[in-house]
Amino acid sequence: QVQLQESGPGLVRPAQTLSLTCTVSGGSISTSGYYWSWIRQHPGKGLEWIGYIFHSGNTYYNPSLKSRVTMSVDTSKNQFSLRLSSVTAADTAVYYCARFVTTIYFDYWGQGTVVTVSS
Amino acid sequence: EIVLTQSPATLSLSPGERATLSCRASQSVSSYLAWYQQRPGQAPRLLIYDASIRATGIPARFSGSESGTDYILTISSLEPEDFAVYYCQQRNSWPLTFGGGTRVEIK
Repeated sequence: QVQLQESGPGLVRPAQTLSLTCTVSGGSISTSGYYWSWIRQHPGKGLEWIGYIFHSGNTYYNPSLKSRVTMSVDTSKNQFSLRLSSVTAADTAVYYCARFVTTIYFDYWGQGTVVTVSS
Repeated sequence: EIVLTQSPATLSLSPGERATLSCRASQSVSSYLAWYQQRPGQAPRLLIYDASIRATGIPARFSGSESGTDYILTISSLEPEDFAVYYCQQRNSWPLTFGGGTRVEIK
């Protein structure tokens, strides 16, 4: 059974960089066909897809966040990471990592981690 | 980007009743649409993909259908655990987008 687990600071200061890591267990991040994704959910709101990274390091970011997002992958640790720069209060959200497969969509999700942007 | 509009925002029903949720796409998504259920404090769970295929382990009371750019999620008879928020999501084009959600609450 594939499991994903987000980790990282729960509090980030405005204008700083948010950094989160997702650890994948029960399966290899290097398996072809998987888009390792980040999704966020603002308090009481809907879901916003941030972007994906392949095991090869290829990425695609949502144009709405592209200028501030960087994703990376560490296949040796079976992890992928998100960095979001110049954060503001509008970046306060629950951040999820998830596995996307073109044939079956987002089939595995992490439990989510709350990130608050505040001084 | 493709905008998905879900209606109604809230659906108030009793256990045992039938729920009908709608998701309208701003342009064709070619049946590449999924439905997710999110219970409070939990991550979303995949219910339906490619408009009408139930994901592994999903009960038969959940079904999906489509008519043009309108997609429907039907829950034939609501169980207590079905009261939650439901989201649609398209994979026809990047960026991937989600609808705003429909809350199914107990009447």
